[in-house]
Amino acid sequence: DTEVTQTPKHLVMGMTNKKSLKCEQHMGHRAMYWYKQKAKKPPELMFVYSYEKLSINESVPSRFSPECPNSSLLNLHLHALQPEDSALYLCASSPSGLGNQPQHFGDGTRLSIL
Amino acid sequence: AQKVTQAQTEISVVEKEDVTLDCVYETRDTTYYLFWYKQPPSGELVFLIRRNSFDEQNEISGRYSWNFQKSTSSFNFTITASQVVDSAVYFCALSRDSSYKLIFGSGTRLLVRP
Repeated sequence: DTEVTQTPKHLVMGMTNKKSLKCEQHMGHRAMYWYKQKAKKPPELMFVYSYEKLSINESVPSRFSPECPNSSLLNLHLHALQPEDSALYLCASSPSGLGNQPQHFGDGTRLSIL
Repeated sequence: AQKVTQAQTEISVVEKEDVTLDCVYETRDTTYYLFWYKQPPSGELVFLIRRNSFDEQNEISGRYSWNFQKSTSSFNFTITASQVVDSAVYFCALSRDSSYKLIFGSGTRLLVRP
């Protein structure tokens, strides 16, 4: 079982809906990440939180809104998404975000936009 | 610029065959880190190994082995006596010393047939 838990595993939503993806880890990690992965492509970094502060936003459209309520939780709020946003969304964590530390990934949320 | 190239898009082998997945990287940094991740159909990226740029010692873990050669900027991954459960997409990745970002290769899809 993965140590990074993501919910839900699958999500289907319309373009006018508002939904949230959740990620939780209890490894004491202080860096958490959101990635987007399209089919047959590598993951693309979206956001990085370090010590509960947003450190990196890879020019992600504002219809994606991240939130880090505490060091164990990471949310991704979704609003007015487009069909091209359909993808696997992966959450990851690492001890402090330094480049030498491996990132640990969750199972992902498979998102479909109708 | 940093770049990771996995030239093999798909590899198909019969169970018990040995298979090598190639990874070539580009970086001007003297300190960097290389990783291999496995992504089974379930979606989670499973961390397999990390190697830093100062440690060229090859590593073996069960049926898995890794060959790091700075002279050719390669970090190849060999699976000995492959099994059906090895079927997955394998990503090679590179990170800088002080960076949150993982630079992924395009991935190699391995199919092990019974």
